[in-house]
Formats: sequence, C-alpha cells, structure tokens
Amino acid sequence: DIVMTQSPLSLPVTPGAPASISCRSNQTLLHSNGYNYVDWYLQKPGQSPQLLIYLGSNRAPGVPDRFSGSGSGADFTLKISRVEAEDVGVYYCMQPLQTPFTFGPGTKVDLK
Amino acid sequence: QVQLVQSGAEVKKPGASVRISCKASGYTFTDYAIHWLRQAPGQKFEWVGWINAADGHTKYSKKFQDRVTITRDTSATIAYLEMSSLRSDDTAVYFCARIRLFYYYGMDVWGLGTTVTVSS
Repeated sequence: DIVMTQSPLSLPVTPGAPASISCRSNQTLLHSNGYNYVDWYLQKPGQSPQLLIYLGSNRAPGVPDRFSGSGSGADFTLKISRVEAEDVGVYYCMQPLQTPFTFGPGTKVDLK
Repeated sequence: QVQLVQSGAEVKKPGASVRISCKASGYTFTDYAIHWLRQAPGQKFEWVGWINAADGHTKYSKKFQDRVTITRDTSATIAYLEMSSLRSDDTAVYFCARIRLFYYYGMDVWGLGTTVTVSS
C-alpha cells in the first residue's frame, strides 16, 4: 500500500497569514497520463470531509482561490494564501492512484 | 441538490453483521462510483471499497475483502455496505463518497457518516 505522510501534524495559524502543509508519498503519484493523483480534503469540526484540490492542483468547484495545490511525483504542498477563521479543521491528503486509496494522518489547523 | 444520505447509527455485538445504506439524489446515479471509507477514533481514514454504480463492479481493500460486500440498487439509487464478523476495532464512522466514472474529479460529495459501535 502507498504510505502518505504529512507535516506538520498541528499548525496554529494567525488569521490573514499564509499557511502551508506538506504531503509526501513513498512512491510516485505521477500517472502516465501526466496527472499527479493526490487530493486534498478539509474536515471541519463535526462535518464530513470536503474536497479542496484534486489531481494535485485543481481546485474543486466553489473552493476559494486562496487554496492552491502544487507538487509532483511524491512531494506535494497545500497552501492557503491568507487563512480565514472558517479554514480551521483537519486537512488530509489522499492518493487515488491505486487501491487501497490511502490518506495522510491529517494536519490540524487552528487559530492562534 | 446533490447529496448522499446515509442510514442511522448502529450498535452491534461482536460477531454480528451490519448493513449501512447511502441514498444518492440530485444526480445521475450511474455516472458515478460510490466509495466507502471509515474513520475510527484516533486512526487514519481507511478506504474500504467501491462499487461502479453503472455495472455493479466492486473492488475491496484486502484488509476487508473477506468480510465486506458492497451492492447497489440502481432503481432506488442506493448503495449498501455490509460488513460481517464485526469486531470492537470496527467501531468507526463509515462514510460513503462519490467519484465520477471515467473522469477523475475527486471525492466531491460525501455522506454525513454512519456511526457503527461494536460492543458486547
């Protein structure tokens, strides 16, 4: 199974400041079609996960443009350009390249 | 609107079976796959398996394949997850989520989750 790791696991942020989360896999997530098979999800307290980014860098419909995904191969980053209060929660990266799909441990983002 | 509505919480004894449903609405059911995942307390999300809602093809995680069956009823637009031989470590919130067939756009709609508690 593909192992996903994330850092940091906890990220206190100041509203209005940028934030960045790293996700790494133990094998490449770059498909022969040129897409990197990594998604980012946010699970707000008491809610189901919501899709932020799919295939490495594509924002899901309705996701604010302060969220961006980048990276290739086995090293990926989710960036929030200016954190807002509504962005608190746990962020997960997930690989859908091969089954079983696997998730990172999550990064808990809260406000300072 | 597009939604996946899951059945209610379940409490089961070890060794029992449970069936959870996921009712889809607001979209063409057979254009998507339904995936099942679970989130146990303090644990990573685990992918359980998926079903192609169009043709019924399934694939399961090797961890669960001996105990899990995923089915769907296209006329009712419902997907089901059945898990047998339940153990205490199956206690978790079980989610269904959809993924579009043929074009990957991520798990863009999730159910609210069904809590399954396994306890004697």
